Amino acid sequence: DTAVSQTPKYLVTQMGNDKSIKCEQNLGHDTMYWYKQDSKKFLKIMFSYNNKELIINETVPNRFSPKSPDKAHLNLHINSLELGDSAVYFCASSYSYEQYFGPGTRLTVT
Amino acid sequence: GNSVTQMEGPVTLSEEAFLTINCTYTATGYPSLFWYVQYPGEGLQLLLKATKADDKGSNKGFEATYRKETTSFHLEKGSVQVSDSAVYFCALSYTDKLIFGTGTRLQVFP
Repeated sequence: DTAVSQTPKYLVTQMGNDKSIKCEQNLGHDTMYWYKQDSKKFLKIMFSYNNKELIINETVPNRFSPKSPDKAHLNLHINSLELGDSAVYFCASSYSYEQYFGPGTRLTVT
Repeated sequence: GNSVTQMEGPVTLSEEAFLTINCTYTATGYPSLFWYVQYPGEGLQLLLKATKADDKGSNKGFEATYRKETTSFHLEKGSVQVSDSAVYFCALSYTDKLIFGTGTRLQVFP
């Protein structure tokens, strides 16, 4: 009955690789987000989609490409991974003002 | 611009002590205000919210009042428990996104 789920939970990879993180929500929300949380716990929004359309893109390098095949899914693909991409990535969904977060994906780039 | 400022942590308390975590905001218009909690190894959970001035949000013994005159939304709890140990984030909603403070780590010892 998980509301917002992400896979994988942990991802360890080498610099230069390409990887994807998947997110699914079963809440029927129209809007989904990707956030990045750095090692100091600072949270910053990366992208927002509303009903499969991109509505927020917060100056994220174009190595990051979100894709929303339907309004219940928002995936994040990252090309040419760099050390600085190491972080925890959270997916969230919302209806109105409240956002519901997934458990996070800890990405470690070595 | 819109921003949220939280007190720096960690906040270290003994069980049953009174908790205050300060949060002030800068915003255009009248945002909704939130407190989220992140337990170790988990995603963020909405703790409480207030959508207009003088509203009080409350949940699990935590309270916060939306103070427009002081642009504040301080989190309080009368008697903390060890299980309250977590990172607490103050946030405001602006258009379709949340703007988070830097988080305050709370450590409660028996």
